[in-house]
Amino acid sequence: KAGVTQTPRYLIKTRGQQVTLSCSPISGHRSVSWYQQTPGQGLQFLFEYFSETQRNKGNFPGRFSGRQFSNSRSEMNVSTLELGDSALYLCASSSGTGNSGNTIYFGEGSWLTVV
Amino acid sequence: DQQVKQNSPSLSVQEGRISILNCDYTNSMFDYFLWYKKYPAEGPTFLISISSIKDKNEDGRFTVFLNKSAKHLSLHIVPSQPGDSAVYFCAASGMGSQGNLIFGKGTKLSVKP
Repeated sequence: KAGVTQTPRYLIKTRGQQVTLSCSPISGHRSVSWYQQTPGQGLQFLFEYFSETQRNKGNFPGRFSGRQFSNSRSEMNVSTLELGDSALYLCASSSGTGNSGNTIYFGEGSWLTVV
Repeated sequence: DQQVKQNSPSLSVQEGRISILNCDYTNSMFDYFLWYKKYPAEGPTFLISISSIKDKNEDGRFTVFLNKSAKHLSLHIVPSQPGDSAVYFCAASGMGSQGNLIFGKGTKLSVKP
């Protein structure tokens, strides 16, 4: 069973540009979450999508957005990139059903560098 | 305000001995706890989890203990192996907010041969 797949793995962008990251969840998983990891802030939750609807959202500015498609694949977009957006962006998937207790599996991440 | 705390940034253990990684939380609404292992430049790898209705869960060399009254959990690795050297993250989620994991800052475990 394939794991969570993220593309691209590495990318460099210039301040002010926008970026789109893609994620394919584990087959059968309907929940996709996105996290940002930086040395200073650690792993922080961005948002979660379930059945194409945003179900939970973290404390990030509106420049960070996402969407989920009918096949559960997800994309996240960051507009007007800032230097501080340089981070490892992680996608995670789970079955998403039930109130809690679903194990969440992570992809390898997309390394974004903003210059 | 950190809701999940891993107060030890690093831990060094001899191969074959027990590694004990600790985690404290403040939010009593958390009902599911997970441990992940992470290597640099890779995504976290799920290790083991525990529901708040249990106080212990075991999987091979890994055991997680949960003390709800103290809002404390710990991960025991026995015996420790050099391949266990990595950063270990404790994470928690609450009812109605699954998919939203709150992570600790991590503990770097070094297992010396």
